[in-house]
Amino acid sequence: QVQLVESGGGVVQPGRSLRLSCEASGFIFSSYGMHWVRQAPGKGLEWVSFISYDGSNTDYADSVKGRFTISRDKSKNTLYLQMNSLRAEDTAIYYCAKQILGYRGITHYWGQGALVTVPS
Amino acid sequence: DIQMTQSPSSVSASVGDRVTITCRASQSISSWLAWYQQKPGKAPNLLIYAASSLESGVPSRFSGTGSGTDFTLTISSLQPEDFATYYCQQANSFPLTFGGGTKVEIK
Repeated sequence: QVQLVESGGGVVQPGRSLRLSCEASGFIFSSYGMHWVRQAPGKGLEWVSFISYDGSNTDYADSVKGRFTISRDKSKNTLYLQMNSLRAEDTAIYYCAKQILGYRGITHYWGQGALVTVPS
Repeated sequence: DIQMTQSPSSVSASVGDRVTITCRASQSISSWLAWYQQKPGKAPNLLIYAASSLESGVPSRFSGTGSGTDFTLTISSLQPEDFATYYCQQANSFPLTFGGGTKVEIK
């Protein structure tokens, strides 16, 4: 069955960097677009970033553009989110999510989430 | 960016009630809309995609309608496990955007 397992969260000081990983299993990772979505404590969902199945296309929310980089390694079945210049407002649970084949932007499997805390 | 406006922000209902949640897009998104359910401490769960297609394994009491700018999620007979927060999301264009959420609470 499809599994997505995030790791790499933690407490990081403002201005520092952190890299999240999302290990995928149970499906052909190299065939699917992937997303990162975050949720600040007690708040709603915010889309963060997308990468196409082959890594050739990426997109970002304005709030993270220029600071975050999405990437993927098909040999490791792993999705990454490199987060630089972190701010207090980046504090959130970060979910990786698998896109439905043929339905751009719609995700049907999510990981359990990784908590990133940036103290103010 | 496309803004997604959900209403109501919360609703109190009883088991067996019919519940309707609406979502309005700031511009036409055709049928590029999804609905998610999220329970406390859990990741969101896809219910409906392409505005009206039921995701595999989702009970048939959930249904979605609409196209263009106005969309509806209906729960035909609310069950105890349906008390949760529901989000709409447009997939017409990047950046993808979510509605603010509708919390369905026990009356």
